[in-house]
Order: sequence, then C-alpha cells, then structure tokens
Amino acid sequence: AQSVTQPDIHITVSEGASLELRCNYSYGATPYLFWYVQSPGQGLQLLLKYFSGDTLVQGIKGFEAEFKRSQSSFNLRKPSVHWSDAAEYFCAVGALSGGGADGLTFGKGTHLIIQP
Amino acid sequence: DTGVSQDPRHKITKRGQNVTFRCDPISEHNRLYWYRQTLGQGPEFLTYFQNEAQLEKSRLLSDRFSAERPKGSFSTLEIQRTEQGDSAMYLCAGQTGTSEQFFGPGTRLTVL
Repeated sequence: AQSVTQPDIHITVSEGASLELRCNYSYGATPYLFWYVQSPGQGLQLLLKYFSGDTLVQGIKGFEAEFKRSQSSFNLRKPSVHWSDAAEYFCAVGALSGGGADGLTFGKGTHLIIQP
Repeated sequence: DTGVSQDPRHKITKRGQNVTFRCDPISEHNRLYWYRQTLGQGPEFLTYFQNEAQLEKSRLLSDRFSAERPKGSFSTLEIQRTEQGDSAMYLCAGQTGTSEQFFGPGTRLTVL
C-alpha cells in the first residue's frame, strides 16, 4: 500500500531564510507527486506537481521540489520565505491518472511557522 | 479560485441525525473525489466518480456513508446516524482528465 511520510510536524523559519520541507513516499508503481498548501479554514491549493520529465519542478509562489527516485523523496524548497507562507503543507502521491481508484494519499502535513 | 464550491461550509448536528453535503465542480471536471480530513491529519480518500459512475466506494468509512453524482455534475455525500467520530472536514475535489485535483473549501462537520 502506498504511504507518504512527512517527518517534520512543525518547522519554524525566520522570514527571509530558506526552507526545505521533507517528503518520503512508498508507492508500488510510478509515483505522481504533489505538494499542496492549506491555510487555516481553507481548502487545499496545489503548489506544484511531478508527473514525469525533469526531476526539478517549479511551482507557484516561488516554490520548487526535486524528485529523487533513489531516495523515494520529493522535498519542497523555497529560497526565501515570506510571512504569508505560514500554513500547513501536504505532500501527496497518486496513480498515473493523478488520482484514480486510490485517490491521492497524503502525508500528515508540516506546519510552517514564520518568525519575524 | 479552483471553481469547486461546497455547501454548507459549516454544519453542526446532534448525534444520530443525518447530514448531507453538496459539492459543485466546474463542468469540465469529469472526475470528482471526496476526502475526509481530521484534525492534525492529511486528507483521507473516501470515494470517487467518473462522470456519474461511482468507481470506488470501498474506502467509505462505514455503511452509514454514501455518495451520489446523479447527472455527472454536482455530488452529494450523506452520513446517516452521525456519531461524534464523524466530526471532521469533508473535502471535495474535481479533476479534468489526468490533471491535478482541484479542491473545494470543504464542509466542517461538528457532531454534538
């Protein structure tokens, strides 16, 4: 069965500092990987996705992620965080169709706190 | 704006009552998914539709949960005989073809 592990429940970063959020996955087939962000009381917004091709993918709001098959990882990075980046971040893995019969499998999320 | 709306945004009910939630995706979303999110957890897949066909429902949490998408457009999720453990955020997502899923704002259910 597929699974996603986000090892950091909380991360605190100073405004302007760089950020890396970790994600490890277990999936029996070719993984299709996503990062979503959720602000309090809001739905999920897609930051970026990896389906195939270049393993470094660019997303919205200055985020990027790198797919490393050998490490089963898909870590999210941002060179300089802004106070508005404070939110909950979820990594997810899915089937070829981006969902399908298994839907997406999500990690438990990482809560990002930005210090002034 | 993802184009996916959900109604109501909040629902408070007493244990044992039935509740129904509605999800309206955009017309291009041939696939529609339902997820449940409890506090401190990521969303958990419940069921999905391809147009009006419900192609996976074994992940619904119990036989008290049911979902429909009668005309391949909007969808409803019903919970019968609610229990306190049903308190959660219920999320709907639409998808066009094999694109990513676009989530609605969710319905927060509180069972007293």
